[in-house]
Amino acid sequence: GAGVSQSPSNKVTEKGKDVELRCDPISGHTALYWYRQSLGQGLEFLIYFQGNSAPDKSGLPSDRFSAERTGGSVSTLTIQRTQQEDSAVYLCASSLAVQGGNEQFFGPGTRLTVL
Amino acid sequence: GDSVTQMEGPVTLSEEAFLTINCTYTATGYPSLFWYVQYPGEGLQLLLKATKADDKGSNKGFEATYRKETTSFHLEKGSVQVSDSAVYFCALRDTGFQKLVFGTGTRLLVSP
Repeated sequence: GAGVSQSPSNKVTEKGKDVELRCDPISGHTALYWYRQSLGQGLEFLIYFQGNSAPDKSGLPSDRFSAERTGGSVSTLTIQRTQQEDSAVYLCASSLAVQGGNEQFFGPGTRLTVL
Repeated sequence: GDSVTQMEGPVTLSEEAFLTINCTYTATGYPSLFWYVQYPGEGLQLLLKATKADDKGSNKGFEATYRKETTSFHLEKGSVQVSDSAVYFCALRDTGFQKLVFGTGTRLLVSP
């Protein structure tokens, strides 16, 4: 089966615009995660979804960032009023269940550039 | 809070050399430990993992042992290949949490 897919692969936007990034997890994976990979901050956790539970939003850097997961599958990360410091690669991952040591499978990422 | 510290790169080696990439961690619970690898132009892939103290994870000739007494999870390979050139990330997932906490990554360059 297919792995985690993300779209678009690259996104260039102007400062102040809103962007939406999409993640399609591996079929059957109940847990979904968003991370951000940037030069200054390395790999940072943003948000995680598990089934129908309330998401863990503890990693979102500001209220300009939000995410939803529809039907327990596809997820969209939205960044409003983008700033230049939002430029990064946004990674999505999914896993079978929330258990210690369970593998998270990562997508190829969306490279966001804010001009 | 939890953190992971890795040796800075790039690490430059000749083919067949021995590799060590150091990783130490700070955690409040009993974390699971991971090494992820990112090959050029590709996404992150799990390389190996260990879920409790003294466990050894191994894959593709790479090994790492979970050392609780030194809070370390150093990555080793006896003989590297050019194809091992990549960025290696050490990570942990602490008890009761689902997020991965990553180190900054170490770039490995292997020359023929």
